[in-house]
Amino acid sequence: EVQLLESGGGLVQPGGSLRLSCVASGFTFSTYALSWVRQAPGKGLQWVSAITGGGGGTFYADSVKGRFTISRDNSRNTLFLQMNSLRVDDTAIYYCAKSGLAVAGHFDYWGQGTLVTVSS
Amino acid sequence: DIQMTQSPSTLSASVGDRVTITCRASQSISGWLAWYQQKPGKAPKLLIYKASSLDSGVPSRFSGSGSGTEFTLTISSLQPDDFATYYCHQCDNYSGTFGQGTKVEIK
Repeated sequence: EVQLLESGGGLVQPGGSLRLSCVASGFTFSTYALSWVRQAPGKGLQWVSAITGGGGGTFYADSVKGRFTISRDNSRNTLFLQMNSLRVDDTAIYYCAKSGLAVAGHFDYWGQGTLVTVSS
Repeated sequence: DIQMTQSPSTLSASVGDRVTITCRASQSISGWLAWYQQKPGKAPKLLIYKASSLDSGVPSRFSGSGSGTEFTLTISSLQPDDFATYYCHQCDNYSGTFGQGTKVEIK
């Protein structure tokens, strides 16, 4: 059974940093691209960042480029999102999502999400 | 960036109704379009991928169609469990984009 478990969310002041983690199980981790998708309170889904299976390719939404860094540790089946210079509008539930293909594609499994609140 | 325009934003329907949601892309995405269902407080759930392929375990009353820039999600006979918010997702590349969502409410 595929499982994705996020952690690391919390309350942080504007300008602060957080590191999110997503531990995966139930599939060959290094084969699949992974993404972070966020959802602000009461709003829709927004893709944030993606990383290829081997970790050599990374992609970012314009709104987070230069502030967020996605990475993965295939030996520990773990995905990360380092978030720096956080802003109030980064407040959201952050989901990790597994691509259904070895490359970019639909998301066939999602974690339960971790809440990031940016507020003074 | 590819923009996705989903309509309607809200839909009121009754159990047994046929429901159609539309998603338009700002440029051709071939068939790289997925649909998700999300219930309050839960993560999204994949329903349809590659425009028309039903994910495993998804009831056959859900179907998807379209290509190029216009896509539809159809629920043939709305069931009580189907009241939720639905999102389309263009996944033509790693920088995927979601539609704004359609909330299906009880009429």
